Amino acid sequence: DVKVTQSSRYLVKRTGEKVFLECVQDMDHENMFWYRQDPGLGLRLIYFSYDVKMKEKGDIPEGYSVSREKKERFSLILESASTNQTSMYLCASSLVLYGYTFGSGTRLTVV
Amino acid sequence: DQQVKQNSPSLSVQEGRISILNCDYTNSMFDYFLWYKKYPAEGPTFLISISSIKDKNEDGRFTVFLNKSAKHLSLHIVPSQPGDSAVYFCAASTGTASKLTFGTGTRLQVTL
Repeated sequence: DVKVTQSSRYLVKRTGEKVFLECVQDMDHENMFWYRQDPGLGLRLIYFSYDVKMKEKGDIPEGYSVSREKKERFSLILESASTNQTSMYLCASSLVLYGYTFGSGTRLTVV
Repeated sequence: DQQVKQNSPSLSVQEGRISILNCDYTNSMFDYFLWYKKYPAEGPTFLISISSIKDKNEDGRFTVFLNKSAKHLSLHIVPSQPGDSAVYFCAASTGTASKLTFGTGTRLQVTL
């Protein structure tokens, strides 16, 4: 089974901090995605990547950046955390179209 | 501009009865649709999918129906079981794009 691992299950950060959320997949998938899940808004795509060093903006990229230096790792960076970035963050990977595998999520609280 | 909408935030169904979850979309370019199930503190897991060339796909207790003219799909769970209690997301994609657009989710509660 494909495994997508998110480094932290829960995080609490202060406003203005730079925050790194890490995601690692173990099945050589080309595509990786970062979503955030908020009540009433569902899952919204922040950034995605089709290959190493490639990245594309999703629907809500403002305030975020990403890094993909290795195929298996896709990092989400909050440049200066704000309270409206308090959310559940979900990483996913896929080899072919439609085959998403999600990690367990990181619940980030910005205080 | 929510392109995929699930208008019922929650649904409660008795064990053994049918659960019907609905999803509407606005983008006529969507040609593949999926349902994901999410338990608390876990990532979503794939449940069932349907291509726009079909109007029905069945997998055990789960059936997805697609009405392209109405831009509507539904997920039927028969019979419903307590373990089906979760949040269900529908998702859609276009042709060669690999990114999925998700709906807002419906929380299903199956009661004894």
